[in-house]
Amino acid sequence: NAGVTQTPKFRVLKTGQSMTLLCAQDMNHEYMYWYRQDPGMGLRLIHYSVGEGTTAKGEVPDGYNVSRLKKQNFLLGLESAAPSQTSVYFCASSSSRGVKVYEQYFGPGTRLTVT
Amino acid sequence: QKEVEQDPGPLSVPEGAIVSLNCTYSNSAFQYFMWYRQYSRKGPELLMYTYSSGNKEDGRFTAQVDKSSKYISLFIRDSQPSDSATYLCAMSGSAGGTSYGKLTFGQGTILTVHP
Repeated sequence: NAGVTQTPKFRVLKTGQSMTLLCAQDMNHEYMYWYRQDPGMGLRLIHYSVGEGTTAKGEVPDGYNVSRLKKQNFLLGLESAAPSQTSVYFCASSSSRGVKVYEQYFGPGTRLTVT
Repeated sequence: QKEVEQDPGPLSVPEGAIVSLNCTYSNSAFQYFMWYRQYSRKGPELLMYTYSSGNKEDGRFTAQVDKSSKYISLFIRDSQPSDSATYLCAMSGSAGGTSYGKLTFGQGTILTVHP
């Protein structure tokens, strides 16, 4: 039982390059989330998904796209990376049942630097 | 002004001390209050959650919510070096339904417990 895994763990991009971050969970959770964490800002929700084939915008969605083609996977894409997207990205998942939505299981994070 | 404010610290205490961590918030719709713990270079993990006002105890940890003052606290008794981490408060309006587990996080407080 691996929980939530994220690939890659580290990445350095040049401005304008694109990349996709992959999140996978093996807990059969319905809900999945992408957050970014910056110093002094806490965790901010980028996009989330309440089920296979559905996605929605969070607090800071600009510059990112997501897809959830399979229940266990949630992909975060950066089409044209900018230095402002330098951050640590966390994926999380949770059950959809009542207060269990707040027991979110986080992956280990992806450290992204855009130069 | 951020919806959730949390003193980032850092907070340094001796082993065995009682630690008090706090958050204030402005959104009166928040009903669910969580504390997450994040070790260095790891993803956050849920410590406790409380609903509405009141106290909740789990071992050495006690969470308090005062909705009238829009103030929440986490107390750690008999603190241990293993408690050294960043503590994040998080809040949401409702369980399930249209909240979909969306959380608003504080900035996190860095805690060090030294032997």
